[in-house]
Amino acid sequence: DIQMTQSPSSLSASVGDRVTITCRASQGISNYLAWYQQKPGKVPKLLIYAASTLQSGVPSRFSGSGSGTDFTLTISSLQPEDVATYYCQKYNSASWTFGQGTKVEIK
Amino acid sequence: EVQLVESGGGLVKPGGSLRLSCAASGFTFSSYSMNWVRQAPGKGLEWVSSISSSSSYIYYADSVKGRFTISRDNAKNSLYLQMNSLRAEDTAVYYCARSIPAFGYWGQGTLVTVSS
Repeated sequence: DIQMTQSPSSLSASVGDRVTITCRASQGISNYLAWYQQKPGKVPKLLIYAASTLQSGVPSRFSGSGSGTDFTLTISSLQPEDVATYYCQKYNSASWTFGQGTKVEIK
Repeated sequence: EVQLVESGGGLVKPGGSLRLSCAASGFTFSSYSMNWVRQAPGKGLEWVSSISSSSSYIYYADSVKGRFTISRDNAKNSLYLQMNSLRAEDTAVYYCARSIPAFGYWGQGTLVTVSS
């Protein structure tokens, strides 16, 4: 089975900072990669699919990149409402494995 | 508006069974693959099972294979998860989610607690 590894597990940044989260697949998954945001006590929300396509309604400060095994989620200017845990997920080859999550906090 | 509403959660003893349901509305249910995802208290997301639009393709995570059964009734716009031989580690909020193919829509979840 393909494993998805996110780094870091948590981070603390200031409002306005550029934040980058990395997701690595143990084997190539082309661009079958999604990113989700889960705010405390809330349901997960799809941010990005196909590695870099922004879901409708998601602020443009969120962006995704990568292909194959290495992917990144970038928040260009961190906002207080971005406090959440972020998950990557592969969705190819009959399994939909999530990464372990990255918790983002405001410094 | 897409709506997914889970039900059927509750407290069950180890070794017991439970059947979760997910009622869908606001879209053509029979056109989409559907999924179950769970989240143990304080833990991350874990994909559980997926079913294609016509039930031709069904997949399970290794952690539930042989114990859980996913099914759907397109006439009733409903998704199901039959959970047997439940263990303490199955305790979680269970979400149903619609594929786009990533999981674009989620229900609010239903809590399953496995405890004696």
